[in-house]
Amino acid sequence: RKEVEQDPGPFNVPEGATVAFNCTYSNSASQSFFWYRQDCRKEPKLLMSVYSSGNEDGRFTAQLNRASQYISLLIRDSKLSDSATYLCVVRRPGGYNKLIFGAGTRLAVHP
Amino acid sequence: DADVTQTPRNRITKTGKRIMLECSQTKGHDRMYWYRQDPGLGLRLIYYSFDVKDINKGEISDGYSVSRQAQAKFSLSLESAIPNQTALYFCATSDSHRGDNEQFFGPGTRLTVL
Repeated sequence: RKEVEQDPGPFNVPEGATVAFNCTYSNSASQSFFWYRQDCRKEPKLLMSVYSSGNEDGRFTAQLNRASQYISLLIRDSKLSDSATYLCVVRRPGGYNKLIFGAGTRLAVHP
Repeated sequence: DADVTQTPRNRITKTGKRIMLECSQTKGHDRMYWYRQDPGLGLRLIYYSFDVKDINKGEISDGYSVSRQAQAKFSLSLESAIPNQTALYFCATSDSHRGDNEQFFGPGTRLTVL
């Protein structure tokens, strides 16, 4: 079983749609959680951290459920520019900033 | 702008050749990392370094070696390249003095081993 699992997609949605991505992780001692965005053939970039209480950044909302070891990302009012691969990332315990990356969920927003 | 750069950006080589991938950063970060990315597998950590005198193996270090020549430079070597090392390679940095919450990635090196 992979340490971080995501639905690979692709999710094909029209502009203006709301779309949600899910991610599960296997190590219950994991400490920190993130969503990174990766455009085609480009480097990953941090989209947002995920906090236990849930957090929002504009059209993006991240949720964490530690009991179920589950992370989600909700994108409201999708834009064409949101088309990318979204990587679920978990930091292993131990203080060495070792990040475990999911394989990513691909989103395609069409007009 | 402070940045993470990688050279070369693309490289095609043959089985058995020695290859070096270079990474430089102007961010002043102390920690540096090498990852490879393969379709369907996500990024996997090859090596990481927390300062010039600290080198650690990641999940998939076999067939690779690294050198941290200075705080700003971290190079990855493939001593004898093989076809299953064909992948997209990323260097990343982070700053332990600022909570270490984000890793900043270079643009990647696409390596093909024939």
